[in-house]
Amino acid sequence: DAGITQSPRHKVTETGTPVTLRCHQTENHRYMYWYRQDPGHGLRLIHYSYGVKDTDKGEVSDGYSVSRSKTEDFLLTLESATSSQTSVYFCAMRQALNNEQFFGPGTRLTVL
Amino acid sequence: DAKTTQPPSMDCAEGRAANLPCNHSTISGNEYVYWYRQIHSQGPQYIIHGLKNNETNEMASLIITEDRKSSTLILPHATLRDTAVYYCIVQEGAAGNKLTFGGGTRVLVKP
Repeated sequence: DAGITQSPRHKVTETGTPVTLRCHQTENHRYMYWYRQDPGHGLRLIHYSYGVKDTDKGEVSDGYSVSRSKTEDFLLTLESATSSQTSVYFCAMRQALNNEQFFGPGTRLTVL
Repeated sequence: DAKTTQPPSMDCAEGRAANLPCNHSTISGNEYVYWYRQIHSQGPQYIIHGLKNNETNEMASLIITEDRKSSTLILPHATLRDTAVYYCIVQEGAAGNKLTFGGGTRVLVKP
């Protein structure tokens, strides 16, 4: 929706395995975000980016890293997945005009 | 921590107005009030935002009290498709860029 996609949409992996989630936008927005959502909770910010190669931590960044080598792609990496990282992951991009964030469809990650 | 307080749930009759309250008593002068909603399993969707004046768009109206310590989102004619979790968020305007989600209000529109 609104030019933002996520891949994969679903993934099952094993503990200790590295995992990379991709967020791709076609709107040329500067700001991008990664959130996670767990049952019964709102979204929590993991990392965000304010430009190519410019990233910063959010409130739940431990165990995650990100990279942004070009404007359209924002990657989230779990270096060694743990069961506590089982969650639904949403990425978002921010429109500069009114700070509205557009969210992707989400990636459901299960770590066994 | 979220800077807002919302009721955990509310029901609304289809076709009637839904009034969703939000308390943000610690809001600062440069913070806006944003509303998003999340329909089951989908990513959140922007609804509306405001600073101190009331705002209206094609989806909803936002009423902010004069002291800015609370606000109300109004869905004028609720439909079954408005069933969702609604999040009230305070966020800095131009300089801020991080949304802090609280628990939201789960709205169930009933026929």
